[in-house]
Amino acid sequence: GENVEQHPSTLSVQEGDSAVIKCTYSDSASNYFPWYKQELGKGPQLIIDIRSNVGEKKDQRIAVTLNKTAKHFSLHITETQPEDSAVYFCAAVNFGNEKLTFGTGTRLTIIP
Amino acid sequence: DAGVIQSPRHEVTEMGQEVTLRCKPISGHDYLFWYRQTMMRGLELLIYFNNNVPIDDSGMPEDRFSAKMPNASFSTLKIQPSEPRDSAVYFCASSNGGPPVEQYFGPGTRLTVT
Repeated sequence: GENVEQHPSTLSVQEGDSAVIKCTYSDSASNYFPWYKQELGKGPQLIIDIRSNVGEKKDQRIAVTLNKTAKHFSLHITETQPEDSAVYFCAAVNFGNEKLTFGTGTRLTIIP
Repeated sequence: DAGVIQSPRHEVTEMGQEVTLRCKPISGHDYLFWYRQTMMRGLELLIYFNNNVPIDDSGMPEDRFSAKMPNASFSTLKIQPSEPRDSAVYFCASSNGGPPVEQYFGPGTRLTVT
């Protein structure tokens, strides 16, 4: 089965700086990679995703990159703001399978 | 839409008691997932349903756990008997099957077993 590793487990950055979270996956058949954000006391929410036929995707201050050869993908948040403080999870799945495999999460803290 | 609804939001029970967690998925979604979140093990998929039928229950930790989905708008996760190590946040999520497989999570039920 799929195995997803996520680093770092915690990350603190100054407000306005950039944050990068990295994930690696094991199953070369995985072709869809979503990122979820979990705020305190809430369930995870999808913030951005990328499919295997795309190398990069951007949505305002958030971007995701994918390197299929190396089997790793990353989340980039620029111009960080206090509301970006949360736990972020990467995940991987094969479209033919509804079962997401989640990484272990990164607790991001934005320092004002 | 109100999103995925879970009840109760918090549950405190004594070891040995039966616990039932409830979930109402988003209308029209045909997949429903139950997850457990702990500090030690992260977010684990317990079981998921498609069109009310259990598809994969390989994540259910043991026979004390059972899940049902009697209709498209309701599911339960039952723990009988409960143990302190079952203390966790339990999430229900639903999706329309995609692709892509965006899952919409409920607010979770925080279970404490003393």
